[in-house]
Order: sequence, then C-alpha cells, then structure tokens
Amino acid sequence: KQEVTQIPAALSVPEGENLVLNCSFTDSAIYNLQWFRQDPGKGLTSLLLIQSSQREQTSGRLNASLDKSSGRSTLYIAASQPGDSATYLCAVQATDSWGKLQFGAGTQVVVTP
Amino acid sequence: KAGVTQTPRYLIKTRGQQVTLSCSPISGHRSVSWYQQTPGQGLQFLFEYFSETQRNKGNFPGRFSGRQFSNSRSEMNVSTLELGDSALYLCASSLDSRNNEQFFGPGTRLTVL
Repeated sequence: KQEVTQIPAALSVPEGENLVLNCSFTDSAIYNLQWFRQDPGKGLTSLLLIQSSQREQTSGRLNASLDKSSGRSTLYIAASQPGDSATYLCAVQATDSWGKLQFGAGTQVVVTP
Repeated sequence: KAGVTQTPRYLIKTRGQQVTLSCSPISGHRSVSWYQQTPGQGLQFLFEYFSETQRNKGNFPGRFSGRQFSNSRSEMNVSTLELGDSALYLCASSLDSRNNEQFFGPGTRLTVL
C-alpha cells in the first residue's frame, strides 16, 4: 500500500531564505509525482509535475527533484517571499491506479518579512 | 482557457439530507477525479470518471456516488448526510486517467449540522 510522507509538518523561515520541502513515498511504481500549493480554504494549485523517468523539473524559483529508487522528492523554493506562505502538498500517481493521486499530509510554510 | 469550476462553493445541510455537487472540467479534459479533504484525514480519493465510466473508487461508503455526463461534467452525490461528511470536496480534471497532470477546482465547502 502506497504511503506518502512529508516532513516537516510546518516550517517558518525569514524572507529571502531558500525553502527545502521533503516528500517520501513507499512504492516506486509510480507514473509521476506532483507538487501543489494550497492557500487556506482554497483549492490546490499545481506547481510542478515530474514524470517517473525525469530527475528534476524547474519553473521559475521552483525546482523539484525525484529519486524514484529511494522514494524521495524535494521541492526547492529559492529566495522565499511572504507570498510563498501556504501549505505545500506532494502527491503520487501509482501505475496500477486510474486517476487517483495519493497525497502527503502537507508542509505548512510561513515566510516572515 | 477556463479552469475547473465547482458549484456551489458553500453548502450547509442537516444530518439525513442529501446533497449534489457539480464539477465542470477544463475544456478537452475527459477525466474527473473527486477528493474529500478534512483536517483529520487529509486529502482522500473518492472516485474517478472517464468518458462517463467510473474507473476507480476509493474507500468510501455507498452513500457517496457520482456520475459523469457526455460533456465530461461530473456530479457527486452524498445521501443520508452525517456530521463526519463535513469537508472540503475537491474535483480535479486531466486529459486522461493515467500519467497526466491534474488541475483542481476551488472546492465546495460542505457543512453538516
């Protein structure tokens, strides 16, 4: 059974510092891993999708890596800003599952001015 | 391109009632997945529809059901509401059920009194 874990559960950093968010999963039989951002009471915003054959994906200040063999992904956010404050979730799609994302519990990030 | 839309955004019901939530996917997307988000359980997969067929189902009681129409719009229904059904219900759309990025709507906040 796939389990997705995100550590730490919460993180507070001063503005300008780089953010490092971790995600681990127990079953490497995945199609892809997706990172999302969620603001309080809102839906999820897709940040990055990494296919299982890829090692990393970049978009602006965001960079995500994937090591499928060890079951780990890391999201890096460079030069954090107060607007980056949100909950960040990772999710994997298993190869034996139609349309189902398995989510971690999320990391709540606060960037202080 | 319009994003995923969900209606209504907020609902208040009493125990024993039933409710229907609606989701309109991104134009051209044929897969719609539904998720329940609660503080205690996080994001949990309910079911997925593709071309009017349910192809995957999570571990929820039969009170939770759904359907998809020929234009890919989807509805989910919860009958005999319980207090524990209070949650944010999110739908996501993607081109296909496997190995595609999922895009989420803003959610429907259901409160059961």
